[in-house]
Amino acid sequence: EVQLVQSGAEVKKPGESLKISCKGSGYSFTSYWIAWVRQMPGKGLEWMGIIYPGDSETRYSPSFQGQITISADKSISTAYLQWSSLKASDTAIYYCARKQAGEYYIDYWGQGTLVTVSS
Amino acid sequence: SYELAQPPSVSVSPGQTARITCSGDALAKQYGNWYQQRPGQAPVLVIYKDRERPSGIPERFSGSGSGRTLTLTISGVQAEDEADYYCQSADNSGIFYVFGTGTQVTVL
Repeated sequence: EVQLVQSGAEVKKPGESLKISCKGSGYSFTSYWIAWVRQMPGKGLEWMGIIYPGDSETRYSPSFQGQITISADKSISTAYLQWSSLKASDTAIYYCARKQAGEYYIDYWGQGTLVTVSS
Repeated sequence: SYELAQPPSVSVSPGQTARITCSGDALAKQYGNWYQQRPGQAPVLVIYKDRERPSGIPERFSGSGSGRTLTLTISGVQAEDEADYYCQSADNSGIFYVFGTGTQVTVL
């Protein structure tokens, strides 16, 4: 069974750093892309970027380039999303999701990680 | 541009047919996909490559695409279909991905 299990909810202060994780299981982690998607409170889905754990090729959405870092550790089948300095506007649910190589849709989603940034 | 526009809301009575449209330049060059998101849950893929249905998705969900427009049809709507629906596409290089603005489906 394919599973993407994300790390738990976080509460942070503005200016703090954060790294959340997404562990894949039930499939070959290095053969599929992992995408990160943001959903701000009461809002729609936003594509942030994707990484191919096989070779760590990473592509960022222009809206998020320079604001986040996406990485992966294929030895433990885990992808990461990190911020160096959080803002209140980063408050959102963040989903990781799997995308097949050569395809343009997501077939499996993680359960989401709620990040709250508040002073 | 890679924006995808959807109607904010669609209301439908149980047993009737709901149609949700999605329009944008990206759809003229690349397939579109649809996701269902029930309140408090992660999205679920319901249609991919314009009209393909993943295993486990009820047959009442169907899709079509023509030019710059993608359409999701839910035939014989059930109460459990009440959710937000998002279309999604990408550019041919696989660099730019975009979600539609989302449509809230209400079952009356």
